Amino acid sequence: AQTVTQSQPEMSVQEAETVTLSCTYDTSESNYYLFWYKQPPSRQMILVIRQEAYKQQNATENRFSVNFQKAAKSFSLKISDSQLGDTAMYFCAVTTGGGSNYKLTFGKGTLLTVNP
Amino acid sequence: DADVTQTPRNRITKTGKRIMLECSQTKGHDRMYWYRQDPGLGLRLIYYSFDVKDINKGEISDGYSVSRQAQAKFSLSLESAIPNQTALYFCATSATSGNHYNEQFFGPGTRLTVL
Repeated sequence: AQTVTQSQPEMSVQEAETVTLSCTYDTSESNYYLFWYKQPPSRQMILVIRQEAYKQQNATENRFSVNFQKAAKSFSLKISDSQLGDTAMYFCAVTTGGGSNYKLTFGKGTLLTVNP
Repeated sequence: DADVTQTPRNRITKTGKRIMLECSQTKGHDRMYWYRQDPGLGLRLIYYSFDVKDINKGEISDGYSVSRQAQAKFSLSLESAIPNQTALYFCATSATSGNHYNEQFFGPGTRLTVL
């Protein structure tokens, strides 16, 4: 069974600083997609960033970037210039199912608090 | 307007009651999913449907059933609710092609409490 591990249940960072959230996964598939979702106190699930495993270039979305290490099965999220609005639960997710039929497996989440 | 809507947003019910959670989407996606979220456990897949005639069990389907009434509607039922089904429930949809291929779009969630 596919597993996704987020080893940091909670993290905190000072406003304007940089923080990195870790994620490792286990899969036997050759092609798959990886995502980071954010869940603020409003509880809405919001996509932060996505990465396609066959692309070597790391994805970037404004202040958010990933460090994707396919051989190591690692997919960390870096948040630069942290803002108070970044305070949320962050979930790493990886597709499973192969081909065009897929599901998402989620990690247990990392609660990030940005302090003023 | 929200692309994925869930009703109700909050529900309190009693043990043994039947309850239905509804999900509607205007994104035109074929694929729909139901998850539950428990503190410290992340999101776990209950059921998923790749089209109106295709429904599949996820990792925690016991005690739940679903109905895909149309491409846009996917309902989750608890036939006889029990307290350990107290959780936050999410519906999600995804596209089978295009720029957002494989990305899941989530509804706002339903907070269910079973007393």
